[in-house]
This record gives sequence, structure tokens and C-alpha cells, in this order.
Amino acid sequence: DTAVSQTPKYLVTQMGNDKSIKCEQNLGHDTMYWYKQDSKKFLKIMFSYNNKELIINETVPNRFSPKSPDKAHLNLHINSLELGDSAVYFCASSYGTATYNEQFFGPGTRLTVL
Amino acid sequence: RKEVEQDPGPFNVPEGATVAFNCTYSNSASQSFFWYRQDCRKEPKLLMSVYSSGNEDGRFTAQLNRASQYISLLIRDSKLSDSATYLCVVNPGYALNFGKGTSLLVTP
Repeated sequence: DTAVSQTPKYLVTQMGNDKSIKCEQNLGHDTMYWYKQDSKKFLKIMFSYNNKELIINETVPNRFSPKSPDKAHLNLHINSLELGDSAVYFCASSYGTATYNEQFFGPGTRLTVL
Repeated sequence: RKEVEQDPGPFNVPEGATVAFNCTYSNSASQSFFWYRQDCRKEPKLLMSVYSSGNEDGRFTAQLNRASQYISLLIRDSKLSDSATYLCVVNPGYALNFGKGTSLLVTP
């Protein structure tokens, strides 16, 4: 009965490929996020969607394109993968955008680009 | 200067010890403050929110000093299961800003 789920859990691919990561939450939340945790363990916001609308788009290369088909899903597509994209990508969700709301994280997708 | 700074540790302490973590943040307009816990190769999970008046949850006490832009976490009577990375998190109004985390290892 996972609250925030991501697929795949592991992704190993070659430079230049295009890949997608999927995220689903069953908490009834209306706000979802993508974070990147690099090899130095630094966790950084990439995107945020509220009710399927993009509300945060940090300085992320435009090779990264999020898509939210509905409030329960937020997918991340990455074009032309580069070595520096290797990281753990976490999806998260919260109820609303209020700053005090807890964010619930998925288990992460460990991406390795060779 | 990073928005949220923490001592990365590691902190190695024996069971039963008291340990304190500190964190500073740069954005004085920050509105909400948290401590998250991240176990090895797992996702971050909320440990506790931090309020200006200070708050306690069992063995954990969090303090916030807005004037100094300083947040602390105190863990009393450490347990082996407390071993993890503790992330100081600040929300200036648009997204969570994470510190790099402080690693804690509690030993028997």
C-alpha cells in the first residue's frame, strides 16, 4: 500500500539515450515534485506541479521535461542523457503548496548513465 | 554561500549519548523549517517540524532562532536505530531547500 511509488527503481543506460521515470501517489495530494540527489548527497528541487500545473521550474536543462497527466501522477522524461545526469531522482507529494506541509517522498530512482 | 548549511559529520556516539546538530540558513524570509531523516539508500522522511517556540517529540527537541537564522536538533538517549543522516530543511516559500545532511552513527 505504497503512498508514493516510482518506477523503475534502477535505471542503467548509455549516454545519448532518452528515458522516463514514472511517479504515482495515492495520498490524494494535489502537489507533486521532482528532486535530484547527486553523488555528494545534495538534494535539490527540480520541478513542482500543483493540480497538473507547473509552479516551480528550477534551473534544469531543457532536456528534462516533466509531465503531469493528472494530480496523482508526475512523470519525468530525460532526453539525450549525459554522464552528469547520474543521480537518484526522488518524487514527492504534499497536500497543497503551503510551506508548512509535509512532503512525502517516493523510494527514489537510481539513474546511472554510462 | 549555500542556502542551508550543516556540519556533515560524521558524528559517532555511543548508545545513550546526547547529540546535537546545528544548521544555519541564509534566506531571512524563510517561513517553515523541518528536520528530515534519511536512512542509507532510502528516501527522506519528516522527523519533525521546527517552531520558533521550540518543540519536542519524545527524545527529539528542535529549536529555531530566527534572529540568528539558526536551527538545532537535540537527540537524547541515542538508540542504534537513530543512525541515519539528518537533513535540515528550510522552505522560503516556494520549495524545500535541503542541507547536505549530518551523518549520525550510534554504536553499541
